Amino acid sequence: GAGVSQSPRYKVAKRGQDVALRCDPISGHVSLFWYQQALGQGPEFLTYFQNEAQLDKSGLPSDRFFAERPEGSVSTLKIQRTQQEDSAVYLCASSPAGNLQETQYFGPGTRLLVL
Amino acid sequence: QKEVEQDPGPLSVPEGAIVSLNCTYSNSAFQYFMWYRQYSRKGPELLMYTYSSGNKEDGRFTAQVDKSSKYISLFIRDSQPSDSATYLCVGSGTYKYIFGTGTRLKVLA
Repeated sequence: GAGVSQSPRYKVAKRGQDVALRCDPISGHVSLFWYQQALGQGPEFLTYFQNEAQLDKSGLPSDRFFAERPEGSVSTLKIQRTQQEDSAVYLCASSPAGNLQETQYFGPGTRLLVL
Repeated sequence: QKEVEQDPGPLSVPEGAIVSLNCTYSNSAFQYFMWYRQYSRKGPELLMYTYSSGNKEDGRFTAQVDKSSKYISLFIRDSQPSDSATYLCVGSGTYKYIFGTGTRLKVLA
């Protein structure tokens, strides 16, 4: 079956622009995660949804970052007034039921470059 | 100090070599440990999943966890050029994955 998909795969934004990154999780997966991966670093947790509920947003770097999953499937990560330090790969992951021992399945990521 | 420490490499080995990749962690609450492989410009894919201490083997890959020393290892036997990638170790005690920096591995043909 299809894995996690993300779009766009690449995004170039001018500093100050707003961007929206989309994640389509594996069909039926309850849990959805966003991670940020800076160049040469491991992914860092941003936020976690269980169905449409955002249960943890402790990793969002600032109030310019906003995530939603209104119908419990597709999720959008929005970054307002982008800054150069926002340049990174944004990874989405999903897991079946939100149990602690479940594997998270990652998408290919969206590579964001802010000029 | 990061919760999961990993030597970033790069590590270059000849084809057929045994590769040893290692991480240390500081959070005693971690119960689940994973190794993900990430090819260039791709998302991480799960290689090995281990609960608590012990060994787990899957084909050419063996994962070891020593909770007493907070040490995580991945061994790759008979390494192949297709194993060239970044290997990320992960610790978790909740839904939140804590990743190491990743070790870049290059297997030379």
